[in-house]
Amino acid sequence: NAGVTQTPKFRVLKTGQSMTLLCAQDMNHEYMYWYRQDPGMGLRLIHYSVGEGTTAKGEVPDGYNVSRLKKQNFLLGLESAAPSQTSVYFCASINGPNTEAFFGQGTRLTVV
Amino acid sequence: RKEVEQDPGPFNVPEGATVAFNCTYSNSASQSFFWYRQDCRKEPKLLMSVYSSGNEDGRFTAQLNRASQYISLLIRDSKLSDSATYLCVVNPALDSSYKLIFGSGTRLLVRP
Repeated sequence: NAGVTQTPKFRVLKTGQSMTLLCAQDMNHEYMYWYRQDPGMGLRLIHYSVGEGTTAKGEVPDGYNVSRLKKQNFLLGLESAAPSQTSVYFCASINGPNTEAFFGQGTRLTVV
Repeated sequence: RKEVEQDPGPFNVPEGATVAFNCTYSNSASQSFFWYRQDCRKEPKLLMSVYSSGNEDGRFTAQLNRASQYISLLIRDSKLSDSATYLCVVNPALDSSYKLIFGSGTRLLVRP
């Protein structure tokens, strides 16, 4: 099984450009999450989804939008990238409470 | 105060040593607790769940102290391969989103 797959794995953007990060899971999980990880700060929740067609804001949602049109896919969009969005982005999914979270391999984004 | 706090380390120990990490959480209603392991530039992976009764998996022992709101991880007979960052993770159970809150991680270095 592929588990959770993120694309792309690396990207360099110029300030003001837009992009979409794709997260795909093949485990039929209901719950999906986008986190960013910065040095010394751990993983911080950007947006999450509790099912197809639903999304909600996490701890650090500003500058990002998400969509969950299909259960297996959770997209993270940056409409106008800023240097402060340089980070490593991780997508995760779980099947329910008290269950293991599976992560994608991460997307390293640099905004110059 | 951060929701989940950890000593960032690094803990630098010789092979064969016993090392312990603690983590404190702020929400007394938190339901689920986990330790995840993250290798350099990789995604987090579940090491073990933490139950009220404590649990052990080989050289690893996790314990929960609800009264003091902390969880611990004990690693016995450290191996070089244990070198990684250990993330304390809590589900604060504020709603049914089951989102996970991560500590910033404790870095462990095991030397020969």
